[in-house]
Amino acid sequence: GQNIDQPTEMTATEGAIVQINCTYQTSGFNGLFWYQQHAGEAPTFLSYNVLDGLEEKGRFSSFLSRSKGYSYLLLKELQMKDSASYLCASSNQAGTALIFGKGTTLSVSS
Amino acid sequence: EAQVTQNPRYLITVTGKKLTVTCSQNMNHEYMSWYRQDPGLGLRQIYYSMNVEVTDKGDVPEGYKVSRKEKRNFPLILESPSPNQTSLYFCASSLGTSGGVAEQFFGPGTRLTVL
Repeated sequence: GQNIDQPTEMTATEGAIVQINCTYQTSGFNGLFWYQQHAGEAPTFLSYNVLDGLEEKGRFSSFLSRSKGYSYLLLKELQMKDSASYLCASSNQAGTALIFGKGTTLSVSS
Repeated sequence: EAQVTQNPRYLITVTGKKLTVTCSQNMNHEYMSWYRQDPGLGLRQIYYSMNVEVTDKGDVPEGYKVSRKEKRNFPLILESPSPNQTSLYFCASSLGTSGGVAEQFFGPGTRLTVL
């Protein structure tokens, strides 16, 4: 079966760095996605990792370790607009759908 | 502009009154999917479609129907809505037929309340 775990809530201050962790257990692995979702809005794609290692994209980076079933999203130079829910997602065994974690709500304060 | 559109955006209805939520994408994507999002439960897949006339159940299909007669449209049908279907619904699409291996583009969401 599939199981994706991530913390429910995190808080941080403007300008800081925050790391949101995600552990997954999936029968078949086709890559790990991160999405950002502001309250009441649609999820938007942030990153996709299929190989081990760190992928950097501006202030956001995502890391994957397939052997450990572990990923993290790293947000640098936090801004108030980064307050949102961050969703970790992985494929089901057949590769036909994404299974989402319940999301981590990040609150950034000044 | 490349986008996924949903209508209506907000709907309040009563138990048992059939309704349809439309979803349309203009990116020529093969894969389309419907999710519901509930507090504490996250996004859960209702149905998905890998191409025209090809649909399959997701994790929570009970009480819902879908159809895929054209590539761009994927309506969600609630034949007899019940209060437990009160939720925020998202339609999504992606390139290719395997929805688990490609970025999904989400519509703006439909907030449904069933009284």
